[in-house]
Amino acid sequence: NAGVTQTPKFQVLKTGQSMTLQCAQDMNHEYMSWYRQDPGMGLRLIHYSVGAGITDQGEVPNGYNVSRSTTEDFPLRLLSAAPSQTSVYFCASSYGDTTYNEQFFGPGTRLTVL
Amino acid sequence: DAKTTQPNSMESNEEEPVHLPCNHSTISGTDYIHWYRQLPSQGPEYVIHGLTSNVNNRMASLAIAEDRKSSTLILHRATLRDAAVYYCILNAGNMLTFGGGTRLMVKP
Repeated sequence: NAGVTQTPKFQVLKTGQSMTLQCAQDMNHEYMSWYRQDPGMGLRLIHYSVGAGITDQGEVPNGYNVSRSTTEDFPLRLLSAAPSQTSVYFCASSYGDTTYNEQFFGPGTRLTVL
Repeated sequence: DAKTTQPNSMESNEEEPVHLPCNHSTISGTDYIHWYRQLPSQGPEYVIHGLTSNVNNRMASLAIAEDRKSSTLILHRATLRDAAVYYCILNAGNMLTFGGGTRLMVKP
């Protein structure tokens, strides 16, 4: 199993550009989520999904969209990038539709918005 | 959301036990206590979790106070590879809320 994969590893955007961060898992996990981590801080939840076709907002959803058309993929869309969205983004997945089970995290995408 | 309080940083010597404390005085009856750690430049990884009873696994032990208002993660023999930020999280089942964590430094 590849586990949780994220692409790209690094990205530089200009203010106002849009882009999609990709996240995929091959473990047939129902629960998937996106976090951002600013320098020296803990992770903050952006959006999560408990299964295909179901998404919900986390702690900091503004400026981001998600969709879950398949079990495997959970892309995160930045609609109009802002410097405040400069961060490291982590995707995670787990078995079942709750966070009680072990969460598996991807390696992260480091995003810089100029 | 229920919150946790952890020391910002701790130091340990290699091959000695480490006790990482966590206070969670507002824990509700259905919150699980989860611990994750984050090695430098990596995503977090699961360490251990429990509800009321003490728990052991290959990585660590989790000691939970009888009133559940505090817990302690125990690394039995710290290695250099255990240097990381350790997060204590109260888990209500729908999302994980990370605090600042404890940065553990391990001295050779």
